[in-house]
Amino acid sequence: NAGVTQTPKFRILKIGQSMTLQCTQDMNHNYMYWYRQDPGMGLKLIYYSVGAGITDKGEVPNGYNVSRSTTEDFPLRLELAAPSQTSVYFCASSYDRRTEINNSPLHFGNGTRLTVT
Amino acid sequence: RKEVEQDPGPFNVPEGATVAFNCTYSNSASQSFFWYRQDCRKEPKLLMSVYSSGNEDGRFTAQLNRASQYISLLIRDSKLSDSATYLCVVKHSGNTPLVFGKGTRLSVIA
Repeated sequence: NAGVTQTPKFRILKIGQSMTLQCTQDMNHNYMYWYRQDPGMGLKLIYYSVGAGITDKGEVPNGYNVSRSTTEDFPLRLELAAPSQTSVYFCASSYDRRTEINNSPLHFGNGTRLTVT
Repeated sequence: RKEVEQDPGPFNVPEGATVAFNCTYSNSASQSFFWYRQDCRKEPKLLMSVYSSGNEDGRFTAQLNRASQYISLLIRDSKLSDSATYLCVVKHSGNTPLVFGKGTRLSVIA
């Protein structure tokens, strides 16, 4: 199993450009999440999905869009990149929301480092 | 008051030392608690869940104090490889997402 795979690892965007951060998981997990982590800060939830066709906003959804057409894939779209979106983006998945069960922790991808200048 | 608060550190301790981190949470309805570990420029990984009765995993001991709304992580016999940022994570009831603290940085020095 590859687990959670994110691409690209690094990206530099100019203000106003758009891009899609890809995330795929091969663990047949129902739940998928997108977080951002700014330097010295905790993770903030952008969007999450409880299954194919269903998405919900997290704490900081503005400026982002997501889709969940398959169980495996959960891409994050930035339409008009802004310097405030410079951050490290982590995709994660879990079997379900009952993360109090030890066998259902969050599995994170390696992250995408995005710089917007 | 922030939902989950941690002392950012850094905690600089010698090898073999015992070190403890605390984390406070503001929502008394929180139901599940975890410690995640994050190495520099890497993704977070689950270290351990925190149970009401306290739990131990090798050199790591986690405690929960619901009355005072804090959880703790104790690391005994620190190793160089324990150097990392430790994230306190809390889950409220229902379908609410996890809330991450900013993390406490630990450096174990030879």
